[in-house]
Amino acid sequence: DSGVTQTPKHLITATGQRVTLRCSPRSGDLSVYWYQQSLDQGLQFLIQYYNGEERAKGNILERFSAQQFPDLHSELNLSSLELGDSALYFCASSDGAGVYGYTFGSGTRLTVV
Amino acid sequence: QQPVQSPQAVILREGEDAVINCSSSKALYSVHWYRQKHGEAPVFLMILLKGGEQKGHEKISASFNEKKQQSSLYLTASQLSYSGTYFCGTKGEMNYKLSFGAGTTVTVRA
Repeated sequence: DSGVTQTPKHLITATGQRVTLRCSPRSGDLSVYWYQQSLDQGLQFLIQYYNGEERAKGNILERFSAQQFPDLHSELNLSSLELGDSALYFCASSDGAGVYGYTFGSGTRLTVV
Repeated sequence: QQPVQSPQAVILREGEDAVINCSSSKALYSVHWYRQKHGEAPVFLMILLKGGEQKGHEKISASFNEKKQQSSLYLTASQLSYSGTYFCGTKGEMNYKLSFGAGTTVTVRA
């Protein structure tokens, strides 16, 4: 157990639907990062939050949004889902600057049918 | 901008050595290295900060050439447990975003 908790582990949904992925960071970590990993692909950065504030944004689609709550957990909302959104979504956390590396959760596997 | 990793894949026998390279076209502040086994989350190996330091983790070490904006990961006397996909992640100065390379798949055979 890395200390980063992601729920649910698996999600199967239909095209056009909306889902919410949840992440609880490791205790003491203020930064949360969301990454998308498609089948046999690398890790694509989506968005980063630090202590409730958005800090950096990657190639995140307009249909996707995220937020970090006062208790530091984060949610990634994916709407108007398309087949191509099927992927493994990882959440990672770190201290503020990330100089000790990122700790990844076990991921949520999203399948859009 | 994504760093470029090479090679894409490497097959080793136990005890052999390998080098994985990671290069960026932009000035780097830090380089991260992670290993991901199939079906699992990436696991942090080490971070190298601007300054060209070399770090080690068991028989896995890395270097950072600041002038060339390159990092190399050295797998020495490989073990079966070293199998997996290795990703480098790079971060520029004044940039919070950590961008990952496409990964290098390492297979260690007995």
